[in-house]
Amino acid sequence: DTGVSQNPRHKITKRGQNVTFRCDPISEHNRLYWYRQTLGQGPEFLTYFQNEAQLEKSRLLSDRFSAERPKGSFSTLEIQRTEQGDSAMYLCASSLDGFGGYTFGSGTRLTVV
Amino acid sequence: GNSVTQMEGPVTLSEEAFLTINCTYTATGYPSLFWYVQYPGEGLQLLLKATKADDKGSNKGFEATYRKETTSFHLEKGSVQVSDSAVYFCALSVGGSGGGADGLTFGKGTHLIIQP
Repeated sequence: DTGVSQNPRHKITKRGQNVTFRCDPISEHNRLYWYRQTLGQGPEFLTYFQNEAQLEKSRLLSDRFSAERPKGSFSTLEIQRTEQGDSAMYLCASSLDGFGGYTFGSGTRLTVV
Repeated sequence: GNSVTQMEGPVTLSEEAFLTINCTYTATGYPSLFWYVQYPGEGLQLLLKATKADDKGSNKGFEATYRKETTSFHLEKGSVQVSDSAVYFCALSVGGSGGGADGLTFGKGTHLIIQP
């Protein structure tokens, strides 16, 4: 198992464009989380999936953000009409029913110019 | 709600010095407590955890004890190395051993710099 994989590692986009990130969790993990981390801050929870069901969304997740996890495997996070304030590191984590803690990916760093 | 407060950084120490990074928390419910470490350009790695009061988590010479009476989970290491330079995050999760549906609540992180 290669751990949690996130792609791309870096993304630079112009304001107003749409971007999509992908997360491949550890294969047997049924829980998947997205976090956002800005410079000098700890990660902030965005949303959570158990298998393919999106069970929790933070108020930080505006209507420009959408996440999916089809078939309960990989997940995508899309940001529409990006704004400069969306610039951050987007982290994905997975877990098996919460036991053993969370395994984080290396993140996707988004820069909106 | 849930929150984590940890000491501001950067913390700069000489190699072989004793390290303490303070962490206190507030939580609705009975939390599990974690320390994560983030090396430059990398994702978060779980350093240690404790799931109930008076438990001591330990790993790689680091340790932290779950103190319910003081709502604290301070990170300590007896002799730090240059390779310990990183950002350290204290975190909590409510709901079992870290699988709360609302995930982890993190502190802002403490940047540790170890000088040779």
